[in-house]
Amino acid sequence: NAGVTQTPKFQVLKTGQSMTLQCAQDMNHNSMYWYRQDPGMGLRLIYYSASEGTTDKGEVPNGYNVSRLNKREFSLRLESAAPSQTSVYFCASSRAAFYEQYFGPGTRLTVT
Amino acid sequence: AQSVTQLGSHVSVSEGALVLLRCNYSSSVPPYLFWYVQYPNQGLQLLLKYTSAATLVKGINGFEAEFKKSETSFHLTKPSAHMSDAAEYFCAVSEDQGNLIFGKGTKLSVKP
Repeated sequence: NAGVTQTPKFQVLKTGQSMTLQCAQDMNHNSMYWYRQDPGMGLRLIYYSASEGTTDKGEVPNGYNVSRLNKREFSLRLESAAPSQTSVYFCASSRAAFYEQYFGPGTRLTVT
Repeated sequence: AQSVTQLGSHVSVSEGALVLLRCNYSSSVPPYLFWYVQYPNQGLQLLLKYTSAATLVKGINGFEAEFKKSETSFHLTKPSAHMSDAAEYFCAVSEDQGNLIFGKGTKLSVKP
């Protein structure tokens, strides 16, 4: 039982490049989330998927897109990376809304 | 809108001393409240949660938190700090859709 897994662990991009962050969970959870963590800012919700087939914007969605590929997988795409997107990205999942969330180990992204 | 305020971005205690990390929330509905811990270069791990059952909630690693509706607080305590408690702690409240709003975090240092 791996919980929530994320790939890659580290990534360096040049401004304008694109990439997809992958997330998978093996807990049969319905809801999945993408956050970014910046120093002194706590965690901010980028997008979430309340259930398979649905996605919604969170607090800071600009510059990102998501895909809920199936119940297990939820990917985050940066179409044209900007230095402001340098951050640590966390994926999380929960049984449903209002339940506790379980977090992956994070992806540290640097955009130069 | 719901919000979370964590008083003190850094707290330092001596080993064996009481740990008190403060969290105040605002919520228009009965809240679900959570405390998470983040060790360096790791994801967030659930410490404990309040879901309207008992007001005193016990979590892992000897931590507990008390929900005080009149004070809109959910402070985290541990009677005796251990070196291994050094980490960053995040308080979170559920918002109307069931997503979590996180505080900005409190870094706990433990001095020998």
